[in-house]
Amino acid sequence: NAGVTQTPKFQVLKTGQSMTLQCAQDMNHEYMSWYRQDPGMGLRLIHYSVGAGITDQGEVPNGYNVSRSTTEDFPLRLLSAAPSQTSVYFCAISDRDRRKQYFGPGTRLTVT
Amino acid sequence: AQSVTQPDIHITVSEGASLELRCNYSYGATPYLFWYVQSPGQGLQLLLKYFSGDTLVQGIKGFEAEFKRSQSSFNLRKPSVHWSDAAEYFCAVEGNYGQNFVFGPGTRLSVLP
Repeated sequence: NAGVTQTPKFQVLKTGQSMTLQCAQDMNHEYMSWYRQDPGMGLRLIHYSVGAGITDQGEVPNGYNVSRSTTEDFPLRLLSAAPSQTSVYFCAISDRDRRKQYFGPGTRLTVT
Repeated sequence: AQSVTQPDIHITVSEGASLELRCNYSYGATPYLFWYVQSPGQGLQLLLKYFSGDTLVQGIKGFEAEFKRSQSSFNLRKPSVHWSDAAEYFCAVEGNYGQNFVFGPGTRLSVLP
C-alpha cells in the first residue's frame, strides 16, 4: 500500500445520498484506477485515468463519476447511492510499464 | 474479452504441505499475468508477475508460478505452506483498458496447524 492513501476507511450511506471517495498518491505515477470488490467476483474496474485531465470508463462505471485534475488525486463520486453499490473500493496506481503497481488499503462502503 | 477463472473457491492445506492454486485465462495475445494476495481486511499485495521470457516466475514469500501457453494457465505454487499464508489469492491478466487488470474471483486459502 506504499504511497496510496484512501479515505475514508469505512462509510455508511443511505440510499440516494452522495459522497466522494478520496484517493491520493505521492509516487508520481501516471495511471490511477478504481476497482470495486464483491464476494466471489474478484475486483472489477470502475474508472481509470492515464494522466491528469484524462479519464475513461471501465467495466462497471454506472453510478460513478471521476475526475483527475492533478497527478496526485483521483476522487470517485457516487451521485445517488444505491444498495447495489455496497462494496469495498480500491484505488490502484501504476507506472507507465505496469511493472510497479500498488493498491490502496480500501474503503468499505455500505448503502442502506 | 479477457477473462480469468480460478476453479477453486476455497482450499485447505496443512502447514508444511505443498500448495498449487490454479488460474486459467482467456486473452488474445501474449498476456501479462499477475498473482496478488489479500489478507483479511487488507489491500492487495503483488506476489509475482509474468511479462515475457522464462515461464517459471519467482515471487515474494517463496511463491512461484508457471506460465503454460498451451494450457492458458498460470498456476501459483509454494513447496511448504506457512500459517501466515492463509489469505485470499487473486490471479489477474492485463485487460483491455491498458494499465488495468481483469481479476479472477479469488481462491481462499486456509492453513491447518
